[in-house]
Amino acid sequence: EVQLVESGGGLVKPGGSLRLSCAASGFDFSRYYMNWVRQAPGKGLEWVSSISGGSSHMHYPDAVKGRFTISRDNAKNSLYLQMNSLRAEDTAVYYCAYGDSRFDYWGQGTLVTVSS
Amino acid sequence: EIVLTQSPGTLSLSPGERATLSCRASQSVSSRYLAWYQQKPGQAPRLLIYGTSTRATGIPDRFSGSGSGTDFTLTISRLEPEDFAVYYCQQYGSSPLYSFGQGTMLEIK
Repeated sequence: EVQLVESGGGLVKPGGSLRLSCAASGFDFSRYYMNWVRQAPGKGLEWVSSISGGSSHMHYPDAVKGRFTISRDNAKNSLYLQMNSLRAEDTAVYYCAYGDSRFDYWGQGTLVTVSS
Repeated sequence: EIVLTQSPGTLSLSPGERATLSCRASQSVSSRYLAWYQQKPGQAPRLLIYGTSTRATGIPDRFSGSGSGTDFTLTISRLEPEDFAVYYCQQYGSSPLYSFGQGTMLEIK
């Protein structure tokens, strides 16, 4: 059974940093693209970042480029998102999801709140 | 930048009725890269349809997808009580790499 479990969310001040983690199990982690997708309270879904299985390709939308860094450790079946220079508009539930061109499975998400 | 626009914003129907949800793209989208998701309150989204018309694992056959180019449709043939949720379309491949529609809320009439 595929399991994706996010952690690391919390309350952070504007300009601060946070590192999210996602522990994966139930599939061959190193073979798959992994992704982060977020959802602001009461809003829709927004893609945040993607990384290839071997970490050779990383992708970001303009909204987070230069502030967020995606990485993975295939030996630990883990995905990460380093978030720097956080803004109020980054407040959201952050989901880890696997898939290439679509998001086949999702974790339950971790809430990040950026507020003073 | 590709923008996906879903309509209607809210759809009010009764169990047993047919639901038709629309997703329109601002530019042509490859049929290989159009997907649909269902999200219930307090839950993560779930993949329903990918490649425009292929049902994901475990998705009942009352869900179907169709379309091409800039116009795509998700149809639920006979609504069950558990189908009332928010539905999102998603495209892959054009800047930004992934984008979602704003969602259609399917509510019980």
